[in-house]
Order: sequence, then structure tokens, then C-alpha cells
Amino acid sequence: AQSVTQPDIHITVSEGASLELRCNYSYGATPYLFWYVQSPGQGLQLLLKYFSGDTLVQGIKGFEAEFKRSQSSFNLRKPSVHWSDAAEYFCAVGPYNQGGKLIFGQGTELSVKP
Amino acid sequence: NAGVTQTPKFRVLKTGQSMTLLCAQDMNHEYMYWYRQDPGMGLRLIHYSVGEGTTAKGEVPDGYNVSRLKKQNFLLGLESAAPSQTSVYFCASSPRDAANNEQFFGPGTRLTVL
Repeated sequence: AQSVTQPDIHITVSEGASLELRCNYSYGATPYLFWYVQSPGQGLQLLLKYFSGDTLVQGIKGFEAEFKRSQSSFNLRKPSVHWSDAAEYFCAVGPYNQGGKLIFGQGTELSVKP
Repeated sequence: NAGVTQTPKFRVLKTGQSMTLLCAQDMNHEYMYWYRQDPGMGLRLIHYSVGEGTTAKGEVPDGYNVSRLKKQNFLLGLESAAPSQTSVYFCASSPRDAANNEQFFGPGTRLTVL
């Protein structure tokens, strides 16, 4: 079965601390992987995506993610969190060659302590 | 460019009432999608469209119908609303180019069914 698991429902970090959000996927074909961010009351904004090439991808707002095929993971990281990073983060997986249908994880809500 | 817009932003219905949610995109994207977002469940695909005049079922299509009469518009209909359809609904679009199938999201419609 195709699925995306984000094991952490809610994470709290202090401002300036590092962040890692976990994402594991199960997908039968070559995956196309995404991280989206959703601020309260807003739609989803793409942070970064990976299909092939360098397994460490850089995104917007200082985020990066590393694809590890052997672990079926695509974890999101940021070296120093800012208060404005407080939001909900979604990992998603989809096919490369079809209608772009994505399977989303349950989301991880990030809170930032001052 | 306005991107993806959704109408209305909020709506309260009584059980059994009908309504239509409108999604419009001005990016000339071929693919359009309707998702619902419920707490702890991420986004789930309701219906999608790979082009004008075509629609297909997603993961949770029951109780919903869609139409794509024009390339830029994708309508989601609830013929007889039920409390279980209380949710936040997101529309998204993406280009056909498989190398760039990032989905662009609208701001969402918050629907409450009493």
C-alpha cells in the first residue's frame, strides 16, 4: 500500500535550535517527494521537492531535506528555527509520470518557544 | 497572477442542503484537484481532473461530485450535505510537465455542516 507516515504529530523547539521533522514513505514506484508548509488559516506552500540527483535538497526559508532510499525516508531539517517557522508541515509522495496525484502524511505541527 | 482562488472562504450548511465550491486558476494548468483536510488525517484527495471535460475519483469521493467545463475552473458539489463533510476543502492545480508537477494550493474553504 502507498502511504506516508509522519511519526511526530506535534513538536516544540526553542527559537534558534535545530529542527528535524521525520517522514517515511511506502511507494511502489520511483517516488517524487515533497514537503509543504501550512501557516494557520492558509493554504499549503511548497518548501522543497526531490525526484532524482543529489539526495540533499535545498528549499525555501532555509529548509533542507535528505532522501534516504534504504530507509524510505525524506526528513526535513533546519539548522536554526525562527518563531515564524511555527506552522504545520506535510510530507507528500507522488508519481513522476502520472497525473501528479499526491499522498500526504498526517502532518507535524511545529511550535516554537521564545 | 492570482494563482488558485477558492469561493467561498467559509460556509455553514444544514444537513441535506446542497452547495458548490468553486476553484479557479489562472496558470493554465492541466491538472486540478480537490482535497479535504481533517485533523490528524492530512489531506485526502476527493476528485481530480487531468484536463477540461475529464474528472476522476480520488481516495474519498463519496458524497461529492465535480465538473471541469472550463480548463481554469474546477467545481466541487455536495448534493446533500452531511455532518461528516464538515472539513476544510483545498483546491490545487499543477502543470502537465512531469518534471515540474508541484501542486499549487488555494487558501481553502471552511465548511461546517450542522
